[in-house]
Amino acid sequence: DTEVTQTPKHLVMGMTNKKSLKCEQHMGHRAMYWYKQKAKKPPELMFVYSYEKLSINESVPSRFSPECPNSSLLNLHLHALQPEDSALYLCASSRRDGSNTGELFFGEGSRLTVL
Amino acid sequence: AQKVTQAQTEISVVEKEDVTLDCVYETRDTTYYLFWYKQPPSGELVFLIRRNSFDEQNEISGRYSWNFQKSTSSFNFTITASQVVDSAVYFCALSEMRGSQGNLIFGKGTKLSVKP
Repeated sequence: DTEVTQTPKHLVMGMTNKKSLKCEQHMGHRAMYWYKQKAKKPPELMFVYSYEKLSINESVPSRFSPECPNSSLLNLHLHALQPEDSALYLCASSRRDGSNTGELFFGEGSRLTVL
Repeated sequence: AQKVTQAQTEISVVEKEDVTLDCVYETRDTTYYLFWYKQPPSGELVFLIRRNSFDEQNEISGRYSWNFQKSTSSFNFTITASQVVDSAVYFCALSEMRGSQGNLIFGKGTKLSVKP
């Protein structure tokens, strides 16, 4: 089982809405990531959780709020977003042990449109 | 600074042609990993290969092959006898260790279009 599952696949929201993106993995990985990918651009790191604790925050605006309830789940809470936040949001996981080679396993992404 | 350069923004070939995607990297680390990912229109980033900095052996997997040359800091990817299903954006990536946490530095990607 090498799957990272993201829901929803598509999300349209207004600037005043509150919504959440969800990510789940069952590979026993203890590092989970959120990336943002704008059209025709490479993915950009947003957050990294390691052993359910936030270890990297790439100066992301507070309207994006990550949460890691347990080792298999990662959420991204969205509130008061701007149209320029429209993008593909990718979740990934990786091993978090001495054999960590930096290899990330990605989900299919959640395509977000902010109206 | 860590950096990955994919100079080819878009490539278009006709089915059955061979095509090479270029990747040049910069790093100060002595131990590092290089990756290729494929991103079809569906959006998922599909892992293709990982190569560590101590292994310069070229690798072949079916129609795919990779040429890693430390002397020129390059990690090029060749698709032999391309097929329409190979159409996708391909990203080359370099691992970085931030503390003990791995992360990926991506190149800007090369969009490959294979026409029938």
